[in-house]
Amino acid sequence: NAGVTQTPKFQVLKTGQSMTLQCAQDMNHNSMYWYRQDPGMGLRLIYYSASEGTTDKGEVPNGYNVSRLNKREFSLRLESAAPSQTSVYFCASSAARSGTLHFGNGTRLTVT
Amino acid sequence: GQQVMQIPQYQHVQEGEDFTTYCNSSTTLSNIQWYKQRPGGHPVFLIQLVKSGEVKKQKRLTFQFGEAKKNSSLHITATQTTDVGTYFCAGLGNTGKLIFGQGTTLQVKP
Repeated sequence: NAGVTQTPKFQVLKTGQSMTLQCAQDMNHNSMYWYRQDPGMGLRLIYYSASEGTTDKGEVPNGYNVSRLNKREFSLRLESAAPSQTSVYFCASSAARSGTLHFGNGTRLTVT
Repeated sequence: GQQVMQIPQYQHVQEGEDFTTYCNSSTTLSNIQWYKQRPGGHPVFLIQLVKSGEVKKQKRLTFQFGEAKKNSSLHITATQTTDVGTYFCAGLGNTGKLIFGQGTTLQVKP
């Protein structure tokens, strides 16, 4: 069982470039989430999808878009990367909304 | 909006000493979850507390949920080097969203 799989593991972007972070889960979970982790800030929710076909903003959604492609996959897109988006990004899933979270291994993104 | 504060931010202990991290919410919580993140890793779920005044134990780890369901603590007895990492609390409030505390990073000197 792979659990939650994120790609890529590392990425370096230049300011203004775009990219999509991919996430897939094989646990048949309904809810999926994108968090960013910055030193001293904990984990902050960017967007979440309570169920297939729905997405909602979290605490820090500006500069990001998401797509719940199907029940398994939830992608995060940066349309025009900024240095403030340098962070570690974690995808997570849960069986039910706000249930216990299963995290992927993370994507370390640097924007120069 | 709902806030979850966690203290201390860092803690250095000698192996064998005890360790406690505290979590406080600005609002009453439906439940609180605790996660551990090893250096370079991802957060891993430890436990969930739901009832007022609830106490749960996992070996050397003791988790408490306050009577008012606005605070929680994690206590580790006789720390070991394997306890190193960052411990996060996450509270579920009336927004229906799980809000994470800032985390407490534990260093253990052998």
